[in-house]
Amino acid sequence: KQEVTQIPAALSVPEGENLVLNCSFTDSAIYNLQWFRQDPGKGLTSLLLIQSSQREQTSGRLNASLDKSSGRSTLYIAASQPGDSATYLCAVGPLSGGYQKVTFGTGTKLQVIP
Amino acid sequence: DTEVTQTPKHLVMGMTNKKSLKCEQHMGHRAMYWYKQKAKKPPELMFVYSYEKLSINESVPSRFSPECPNSSLLNLHLHALQPEDSALYLCASSQMDRGLSNEQFFGPGTRLTVL
Repeated sequence: KQEVTQIPAALSVPEGENLVLNCSFTDSAIYNLQWFRQDPGKGLTSLLLIQSSQREQTSGRLNASLDKSSGRSTLYIAASQPGDSATYLCAVGPLSGGYQKVTFGTGTKLQVIP
Repeated sequence: DTEVTQTPKHLVMGMTNKKSLKCEQHMGHRAMYWYKQKAKKPPELMFVYSYEKLSINESVPSRFSPECPNSSLLNLHLHALQPEDSALYLCASSQMDRGLSNEQFFGPGTRLTVL
């Protein structure tokens, strides 16, 4: 059974700092890994998706990497801003592909202090 | 258009009421999902529809009844709910075909309160 862990559970940083969020998974037989952000009481916004054959994806100030062999993904946020404050979730998609019965991590709650 | 819409945004219902949640997408996705999310927890999968057929039911109580009338719409019918069913209900959709990203797109959710 796939287990996904995110450390730390909460993180508070001053504005402008670069930061890294971690996601670990136990089964390396994955199809893809997706990073989301969720604002309080809102839906999930997809940030980046990495296919199992890829090593990293970039979008603006965000960079996500994937190391399947070690069961790890990191989300790098450059020059953090107060608007980045949210909960960040990673979700791992199984090897079967098709419809995705993903496994979510428990999330990292990020606070960026002005 | 990468939008998934959900209505209503908020719903308050009594334990004897019948209500429905609606979800719509126009991205041509053939997989649609219902998730339940309690406070400070990740989303929990409830149902998956693929090509308008129920593919996964994660042992959800029968007081929740999903329906997929066509490839763009997904409903969740609610009846005789319990207060512990109060949560944020999220709809998502994705492509189905291997070789594609199968990225999941989520709607804004319906905040359900059961009195």
